[in-house]
Amino acid sequence: KAGVTQTPRYLIKTRGQQVTLSCSPISGHRSVSWYQQTPGQGLQFLFEYFSETQRNKGNFPGRFSGRQFSNSRSEMNVSTLELGDSALYLCASSLGLAGETQYFGPGTRLTVL
Amino acid sequence: AQSVTQPDIHITVSEGASLELRCNYSYGATPYLFWYVQSPGQGLQLLLKYFSGDTLVQGIKGFEAEFKRSQSSFNLRKPSVHWSDAAEYFCAVGDILTGGGNKLTFGTGTQLKVEL
Repeated sequence: KAGVTQTPRYLIKTRGQQVTLSCSPISGHRSVSWYQQTPGQGLQFLFEYFSETQRNKGNFPGRFSGRQFSNSRSEMNVSTLELGDSALYLCASSLGLAGETQYFGPGTRLTVL
Repeated sequence: AQSVTQPDIHITVSEGASLELRCNYSYGATPYLFWYVQSPGQGLQLLLKYFSGDTLVQGIKGFEAEFKRSQSSFNLRKPSVHWSDAAEYFCAVGDILTGGGNKLTFGTGTQLKVEL
């Protein structure tokens, strides 16, 4: 079974631009979660989507948004990029049931100049 | 709120030596606990997980972890480290949210270096 895939793997943007990251979950998984990883803040939960609905949200500004499609693929959007948004963005998929294991993709490395 | 503490930022061990990585958690109920490993520039790979039952859990690559409720700990162990184990290790607690679903809270990670 194919794992979680994320595209693109690397991205360079400038301040003020917006960016869209994509995540394809493991087949059959209905939940997709997004995490931001930075050297200073570590791994932080952004949000989770389940059956096309945002079910949970972390403590991030409204510039960070996402959506999920009927095939469970998910996109994450960051508008008005700031230098501090430079990070590795990780997507994880799971069946979506309580306590289920989350399986991570390789991440998208975003650099904001 | 739940939290995870990994007190060791860096650990260096010799190849063939035993390894123990510490993890302490704070959570109001019986936790779901995970250990993940991350190689440079890569995503997170699940090593093992604890949901309930036997407090000693076996994982991949020869790793095991023991859940100790009285100490709020979930330490990761390996009897003999291989050079390929050099990576960053993250302990995480899974929070079952009132709206359903899961959210992982991670520790700050322990960077493992293996000396040949």
